[in-house]
Amino acid sequence: GAGVSQSPRYKVAKRGQDVALRCDPISGHVSLFWYQQALGQGPEFLTYFQNEAQLDKSGLPSDRFFAERPEGSVSTLKIQRTQQEDSAVYLCASSHKSRGAWTDTQYFGPGTRLTVL
Amino acid sequence: GNSVTQMEGPVTLSEEAFLTINCTYTATGYPSLFWYVQYPGEGLQLLLKATKADDKGSNKGFEATYRKETTSFHLEKGSVQVSDSAVYFCALTYSGGGADGLTFGKGTHLIIQP
Repeated sequence: GAGVSQSPRYKVAKRGQDVALRCDPISGHVSLFWYQQALGQGPEFLTYFQNEAQLDKSGLPSDRFFAERPEGSVSTLKIQRTQQEDSAVYLCASSHKSRGAWTDTQYFGPGTRLTVL
Repeated sequence: GNSVTQMEGPVTLSEEAFLTINCTYTATGYPSLFWYVQYPGEGLQLLLKATKADDKGSNKGFEATYRKETTSFHLEKGSVQVSDSAVYFCALTYSGGGADGLTFGKGTHLIIQP
């Protein structure tokens, strides 16, 4: 596609429910990133994929958060047993080059706004 | 660890005023530096970047120079327009053994009044 797409754009969940957030990166992009953006804050890194390999998950806040990219393109961020503190915008970004090209531009999707009641 | 500090907002200016948004960083080694912009209702977009010391990034009339000696990457524009109203984020990446994920500042909300 022309850009990074994410779905759903908005998600409301009751506390304790599981949610799955989808990211479609730009076609051919090797690297994929997930970020969490709390209201009024800058995005914070969650996890990084190079193709299907999850090379860094140091930013995942708890073991309730899980991400996968099984075929090296579409990625899913799953949050189990959601809590109110999980309410945030979840951003996905992709870039063309593989790890080591830290100068490369990351292209962001519109985000999924998750509200946990 | 790596961190980015940028001036608090909101910053309110009149059209055609000169803009400076300060950004300083802490990082080990030589990061790449970025400014991203988020227009109302839209996603984050790269505005400009610089990948080594003394480089100047520029785009849409905005400029920022990578100053290693002062660990700064201040954003400037000579004459702002109403359409520049947005939230601006300074960010860095550093691949010194860690991920290439961006480290962002908290953002500066810019409001341009006609």
